[in-house]
Amino acid sequence: GQQLNQSPQSMFIQEGEDVSMNCTSSSIFNTWLWYKQDPGEGPVLLIALYKAGELTSNGRLTAQFGITRKDSFLNISASIPSDVGIYFCAGRSGNQFYFGTGTSLTVIP
Amino acid sequence: DAGITQSPRHKVTETGTPVTLRCHQTENHRYMYWYRQDPGHGLRLIHYSYGVKDTDKGEVSDGYSVSRSKTEDFLLTLESATSSQTSVYFCAISEWDRGRDQAFFGQGTRLTVV
Repeated sequence: GQQLNQSPQSMFIQEGEDVSMNCTSSSIFNTWLWYKQDPGEGPVLLIALYKAGELTSNGRLTAQFGITRKDSFLNISASIPSDVGIYFCAGRSGNQFYFGTGTSLTVIP
Repeated sequence: DAGITQSPRHKVTETGTPVTLRCHQTENHRYMYWYRQDPGHGLRLIHYSYGVKDTDKGEVSDGYSVSRSKTEDFLLTLESATSSQTSVYFCAISEWDRGRDQAFFGQGTRLTVV
């Protein structure tokens, strides 16, 4: 399967700090998606990106579709305790979605 | 809530027994997927379907089969469960609408094979 490299694997930050994470691939994707997963729950879609260079926001979250179409970035501004969870990137190629291994975010109050 | 229901939510079964997991959607989406999630591996595709009776294998399909006899239901069967199939299984649905597509997940089924 196609490999998505997501980094960092984990982050421990103070409440109020900004967060950045990214995802890179060896292949081109037509769609990039970002998800958040809480313990015991399924991933929930945060942001969807469809064009190279596209920058999309959802509240304090901003994501970008890389120009090369092989990477994507997610930023969270002014983190709060409920941002805790695992964040996954996903890329679509053909009929399939491929997922990164996740970034575990811990926010320290 | 994307209208996806997985059943059961939890199951414990013995090695060698067959197990069927069900995914039901109310969105009439064409694409349905089964993933397994394991620590260190993220979400890996088992099988997917692109229509009634149309299915294809993903990267970890060995030991699994699927069926889709109706648009709304996608069944995943472990023909003879093994301990390596202990995992959390997620169903997802997707539709392409004017060049835009998104995948939505169910709440997962935690399967333990003892």
